[in-house]
Amino acid sequence: QLHLQESGPGLVKPWETLSLTCTVSGGSISSSSSYYWGWIRQPPGKGLEWIGSIYYSGSTNYNPSLKSRVTISVDTSKKQFSLKLSSVTAADTAVYYCARQNYYESSGSFDYWGQGTLVTVSS
Amino acid sequence: EIVLTQSPGTLSLSPGERATLSCRASQSVSTNYLAWYQQKPGQAPSLLIYGASSRAIGIPDRFSGSGSGTDFTLTISRLEPEDFAVYYCQQYGSSPWTFGQGTKVEIK
Repeated sequence: QLHLQESGPGLVKPWETLSLTCTVSGGSISSSSSYYWGWIRQPPGKGLEWIGSIYYSGSTNYNPSLKSRVTISVDTSKKQFSLKLSSVTAADTAVYYCARQNYYESSGSFDYWGQGTLVTVSS
Repeated sequence: EIVLTQSPGTLSLSPGERATLSCRASQSVSTNYLAWYQQKPGQAPSLLIYGASSRAIGIPDRFSGSGSGTDFTLTISRLEPEDFAVYYCQQYGSSPWTFGQGTKVEIK
């Protein structure tokens, strides 16, 4: 059973960089050409917003609304992928989820999700 | 960017009743790449339906998806107590992938 787990600071100061890591267990991050690995966020009490996704080769796809501030990277040896979001403000306070995007078995939808981690932007 | 509009915002029903949730796209969703997710309080979303009408692994057959182009529907044939939750549609046919704002199914 695939398991994804987010980790990183729960509190970030305004204008600093938010950094999160997702660790994948129960499967390989690079075993198949059919998976992308993504980040999605959800502000408290609100809906979901896709941030971006990465392929095991390092190829990325970002949401244009965040593209200027986002970097997603992958470390296949550690079975991890990471999110950096720069110059954060209170509007970036949200639960951040990592998830697998499965192009083989579910045509590209997000079939496995981490439990999510709340990141609060505050001084 | 494709905007997804879900209706109604809240659906108040009793266990055993039928739930019909709508998701309308601002432009046609490529190859019907439309998914539905269920989210319970304090939990991550979980995949119910992909490709507009295919049930994900382990999803009971009381959940069904239909539609094409710009109009999609999630139907829960007979609500079970564990089905009261928030439901989101998502399109992944045209980047950026986008989600609807959600429909809350609550106990009447």
